[in-house]
Amino acid sequence: AQSVAQPEDQVNVAEGNPLTVKCTYSVSGNPYLFWYVQYPNRGLQFLLKYITGDNLVKGSYGFEAEFNKSQTSFHLKKPSALVSDSALYFCAVRDMYDTDKLIFGTGTRLQVFP
Amino acid sequence: DGGITQSPKYLFRKEGQNVTLSCEQNLNHDAMYWYRQDPGQGLRLIYYSQIVNDFQKGDIAEGYSVSREKKESFPLTVTSAQKNPTAFYLCASSIGADRDFLRTDTQYFGPGTRLTVL
Repeated sequence: AQSVAQPEDQVNVAEGNPLTVKCTYSVSGNPYLFWYVQYPNRGLQFLLKYITGDNLVKGSYGFEAEFNKSQTSFHLKKPSALVSDSALYFCAVRDMYDTDKLIFGTGTRLQVFP
Repeated sequence: DGGITQSPKYLFRKEGQNVTLSCEQNLNHDAMYWYRQDPGQGLRLIYYSQIVNDFQKGDIAEGYSVSREKKESFPLTVTSAQKNPTAFYLCASSIGADRDFLRTDTQYFGPGTRLTVL
């Protein structure tokens, strides 16, 4: 079965420190992977995506993600966290059998402390 | 959130009543989606539409209905058959696989509607 796992419900990091939000996936074939961010009572905002090519993908607001095929992971990273990065982050993978659909993880809440 | 609007932002409903949530997009996207978000459960797909006058059930379609009479609009009706309708509802759109030659399927989301059943 196709799935996305975000193993951490919450990640806490001090402002200025690097942050990592983890995501692993399980799909057959080459995955299309996405990261979204959600601020309180708002819709999801697209951050970045991996389709093919360079394993390090750069996105909005200084975020980047590293695709690792051998570990089936797509972790979200940022070199220096800001308090304003505090939000809910979702990883998603395109459904291989119905390519108009995305499969979302359960989300990871990032808390950045001043 | 730009390009996709949802209304109202907050909605209250009495048990036994049907209610319709609005979703409009001006992005010229073919595909539109409705998701339900509950705490700790991520996003669950209710219905989606790849083209006007056509739609498919998602993972949790029971108790919901949709229509797609216009490309720009994809309203969701929460019927009285939905046992636990209190949730945050999100609408999204994407260009659609037929026109997205890279098949990237990036979905763009509206601001959401929070429905509370009293």
